[in-house]
Amino acid sequence: KQEVTQIPAALSVPEGENLVLNCSFTDSAIYNLQWFRQDPGKGLTSLLLIQSSQREQTSGRLNASLDKSSGRSTLYIAASQPGDSATYLCAVYTGGFKTIFGAGTRLFVKA
Amino acid sequence: DAGVTQSPTHLIKTRGQQVTLRCSPKSGHDTVSWYQQALGQGPQFIFQYYEEEERQRGNFPDRFSGHQFPNYSSELNVNALLLGDSALYLCASSLEGPAGVSYNEQFFGPGTRLTVL
Repeated sequence: KQEVTQIPAALSVPEGENLVLNCSFTDSAIYNLQWFRQDPGKGLTSLLLIQSSQREQTSGRLNASLDKSSGRSTLYIAASQPGDSATYLCAVYTGGFKTIFGAGTRLFVKA
Repeated sequence: DAGVTQSPTHLIKTRGQQVTLRCSPKSGHDTVSWYQQALGQGPQFIFQYYEEEERQRGNFPDRFSGHQFPNYSSELNVNALLLGDSALYLCASSLEGPAGVSYNEQFFGPGTRLTVL
């Protein structure tokens, strides 16, 4: 049974700091991994999608990596800003058309 | 492009009632998935619809049912509501990939906040 874990559960950093969010999964048989951002009470905004054959994806200040063999993905945020404050969720898409989410990391960037 | 839309935004029901939530996928998408998100938790997969059929279901009872229409829009129905059904219900759409497996990105709607009293 696929399980997705995100560490840390919450993180508070000063503005301008570079930071890394972690996501681990127990079954390496995934089709893709997607990172999302969620503002309080809102829907999910897709940040990056990494296919199983890829190692990393970049968008602006965000970089996501994928290591299937170790069951890990990281989301790197460069030069964090107060507007980055949100909950970040990772999700793996498995065989059988299921998507399994982690519980998320709540990020607070202090001005 | 309007993206994924959901209605209603908020809903208040009492225990035992039935509710129907609606979702219109992003233009060009043919696959719709539904999720339940309790406060402080990640979304939990309910089921996925493709070609008007449910092709996968998560660990949810039969009280949760759905439908997909020929225009790819979808409904989520919940019968005999329980207090524990109070949550944010999210719909996501995607485009089916080659060989019947979706490699593609999921796009989410804003959600429907259901409160059961």
